[in-house]
Amino acid sequence: QSVLTQPPSVSAAAGQKVTISCSGSSSNIGNNYVSWYQQFPGTVPKLLIFDNNKRPSGIPDRFSGSKSGTSATLGITGLQTGDEADYYCGTWDSSLSAYWVFGGGTKLTVL
Amino acid sequence: EVQLVQSGAEGKKPGESLKISCKGSGYSFSSYWIGWVRQMPGKGLEWMGIIFPGDSDTRYSPSFQGQVTISADKSISTAYLQWSSLKASDTAMYYCARGPDDYFDYWGQGTRVTVSS
Repeated sequence: QSVLTQPPSVSAAAGQKVTISCSGSSSNIGNNYVSWYQQFPGTVPKLLIFDNNKRPSGIPDRFSGSKSGTSATLGITGLQTGDEADYYCGTWDSSLSAYWVFGGGTKLTVL
Repeated sequence: EVQLVQSGAEGKKPGESLKISCKGSGYSFSSYWIGWVRQMPGKGLEWMGIIFPGDSDTRYSPSFQGQVTISADKSISTAYLQWSSLKASDTAMYYCARGPDDYFDYWGQGTRVTVSS
């Protein structure tokens, strides 16, 4: 059970927009930057968003990130079948000592 | 080009020890954190711990503290994850990843560890 809560699954039609939420607390999201990772089955996770809303070079602007209070959101517009993957949020948590936490992951299905 | 290259798949028996590695290249290895992430079959990502090779400052997830040891040898740009006594529940894919500060930007290809009698 992760301290960061993500919906287990989301789905939307191709071409539409989807958002994936990541809910935490003041000891993690509330006071730290959030990053997002994309993982296709059997492959290595890939950084998608860092520092709440920045995209690494090569990540299309269809992917966006935002943070408000103790929650963060990943948005994907113009959904493509190739976006079907698992998505994870992550951040530092300082409730005990400083350690990193990932959300439980969200499986995106493009209908 | 930044690369993290991990050691190959391992098949071990319960109770055996194991040390897997992650070799960095294409950047100043001593200047970036290296984290270790576990992914059990069909499950999500779990952060195990992190090390700063420059001074060997190491931090562990409470879930993995005492269960594994993270180390690094900056002279050969390599980080390690080791177990003294493996359990069947350690069967998983293990990734190393470079952490500038607040995210992990480059990931190793993963090391599959299978523990079975």
